[in-house]
Amino acid sequence: AQSVAQPEDQVNVAEGNPLTVKCTYSVSGNPYLFWYVQYPNRGLQFLLKYITGDNLVKGSYGFEAEFNKSQTSFHLKKPSALVSDSALYFCAVRDGRNDMRFGAGTRLTVKP
Amino acid sequence: GAGVSQSPRYKVAKRGQDVALRCDPISGHVSLFWYQQALGQGPEFLTYFQNEAQLDKSGLPSDRFFAERPEGSVSTLKIQRTQQEDSAVYLCASTLRISDTEAFFGQGTRLTVV
Repeated sequence: AQSVAQPEDQVNVAEGNPLTVKCTYSVSGNPYLFWYVQYPNRGLQFLLKYITGDNLVKGSYGFEAEFNKSQTSFHLKKPSALVSDSALYFCAVRDGRNDMRFGAGTRLTVKP
Repeated sequence: GAGVSQSPRYKVAKRGQDVALRCDPISGHVSLFWYQQALGQGPEFLTYFQNEAQLDKSGLPSDRFFAERPEGSVSTLKIQRTQQEDSAVYLCASTLRISDTEAFFGQGTRLTVV
């Protein structure tokens, strides 16, 4: 079955600095990759996805992610972090018709 | 409806009680997922439906957990003889197509077993 690893439990950045939240995946076929964000007491919200095509995908709120097949990674990035970006971020992978698996999550804290 | 709806939002059950959690996916969505999420953790996969067919139930933690989606729309997750370790938020999500579309999540049902 497919799986996702998010190696960092916590990422801290200063407001205005670039941020990266890491994700690596394991699938047997072509991966469909997703990033979701969860704010306190809120449901998971979709940010962006990679299905095929350009390795750099752009999503909501200025976030982007880079798909790297050789490194089996799909890191989430943003050029300039905002305090309001502070939340839990989850990477997810789907393999063809299979179910969708999530990483353990990374808590992003952006300090003023 | 406009989004995925889950009910109840909160459920307190006495240990040993049976509970049923309901999920109304977005109309026309083919795939439906159930996840269990502990506080501050990632959603743990429970089971997956494609229309009315339950294609994967490998994540159900015990035979006390049962899910159904008889007409390919509304789904119910049933937990029999609840235990304290069942306390968690249960999330439902649906996707329009089988593979390449993003999931839309409900707000979840917070189950507390006392």
